[in-house]
Amino acid sequence: DTGVSQDPRHKITKRGQNVTFRCDPISEHNRLYWYRQTLGQGPEFLTYFQNEAQLEKSRLLSDRFSAERPKGSFSTLEIQRTEQGDSAMYLCASSPGGVVRYGYTFGSGTRLTVV
Amino acid sequence: AQTVTQSQPEMSVQEAETVTLSCTYDTSENNYYLFWYKQPPSRQMILVIRQEAYKQQNATENRFSVNFQKAAKSFSLKISDSQLGDTAMYFCAFKTIQGAQKLVFGQGTRLTINP
Repeated sequence: DTGVSQDPRHKITKRGQNVTFRCDPISEHNRLYWYRQTLGQGPEFLTYFQNEAQLEKSRLLSDRFSAERPKGSFSTLEIQRTEQGDSAMYLCASSPGGVVRYGYTFGSGTRLTVV
Repeated sequence: AQTVTQSQPEMSVQEAETVTLSCTYDTSENNYYLFWYKQPPSRQMILVIRQEAYKQQNATENRFSVNFQKAAKSFSLKISDSQLGDTAMYFCAFKTIQGAQKLVFGQGTRLTINP
């Protein structure tokens, strides 16, 4: 297992288009997280899955954003009708179940640019 | 709600010097975890060191150590014998033991190690 994988690494899209990002967590991790990081800032929590169940959603996750984790494996994050303010790095992380003493393992992120 | 504050946006030191990065946080919880993450330029975020709030002993990982002051809600990171490869953004993060699974991050400190 090579860690958390995210695809694509970079995405440039025109305003108003829909985009979808994929995250493949570490295989034995049943928890998966999405964060958004704007330039020069710390990551902000978007949503959290335990297996296939989406258990937490941030207020940042507007109705244009949707995340899924079918079968409790990979996850997708879709942004509909993109806006320039959606330009950011989208980070995925995973962790094993139980008490999380060891933090999360992060992927390299998908950098979205909306033009 | 928990908040994490890093008051030093940027720091710069010479190679082999010791540097301390500051972090304060606000919470009403008694038990929680604190983390320092490193994000090198264009690379993924990696865990540097963690501290459980119920442990009085400060965590140490090789050249990295923390000064955890629970009453003051302070969690600073000391890097000894700094190396060029330590150049990165450093984020302090907080997580409750119970309840929400999200990490709450500070704004980050950009650390540059000069040769």
